[in-house]
Amino acid sequence: EPEVTQTPSHQVTQMGQEVILRCVPISNHLYFYWYRQILGQKVEFLVSFYNNEISEKSEIFDDQFSVERPDGSNFTLKIRSTKLEDSAMYFCASRGGLTTDTQYFGPGTRLTVL
Amino acid sequence: SQKIEQNSEALNIQEGKTATLTCNYTNYSPAYLQWYRQDPGRGPVFLLLIRENEKEKRKERLKVTFDTTLKQSLFHITASQPADSATYLCALDPDRGSTLGRLYFGRGTQLTVWP
Repeated sequence: EPEVTQTPSHQVTQMGQEVILRCVPISNHLYFYWYRQILGQKVEFLVSFYNNEISEKSEIFDDQFSVERPDGSNFTLKIRSTKLEDSAMYFCASRGGLTTDTQYFGPGTRLTVL
Repeated sequence: SQKIEQNSEALNIQEGKTATLTCNYTNYSPAYLQWYRQDPGRGPVFLLLIRENEKEKRKERLKVTFDTTLKQSLFHITASQPADSATYLCALDPDRGSTLGRLYFGRGTQLTVWP
């Protein structure tokens, strides 16, 4: 069964460093998302991406964040200058298309900012 | 203010019983609700989606109801098993069926099924 994959599973970085989290959505899906979950808190929407551009972004998704689909398979989230409060699990999700509403999530990347 | 509330943070039941989890929302008019399972340190796993024009949906031992008047969804696991122990998340579309598709989640209910 097709699934969303994410790498790395765990990323440790120093405050102020740049990180790139990678995702491979389900093949032929058209809509892509990033969510994050701070330990013990709810899953929060960050950004949605369709047709090679951002469709919607939350207040959390400030200028430090960016997303890219550099090729036909990868979908990345970049944090330019990490802060301590960026420590969280980051989940990528994908959705098939207009007629399908179900989002399928990846296993997540645990980001630890020291 | 807009809220998505799931009944209790933790629910403990005996194996074989039916678990009932509640999701209430305020100041949203979702076109659908989704239920996910999340194990510790893992991503949400999709279980069921129910639309506003559907009162009930079933999948094996799972049943979801959706009452738009009460602004509530109930999630039932019948004949529960210890393997059902996990956190269950309720999510809705805040944009009412928009093609954007972003989801807003509740905090989840941690279910423990003991033998």
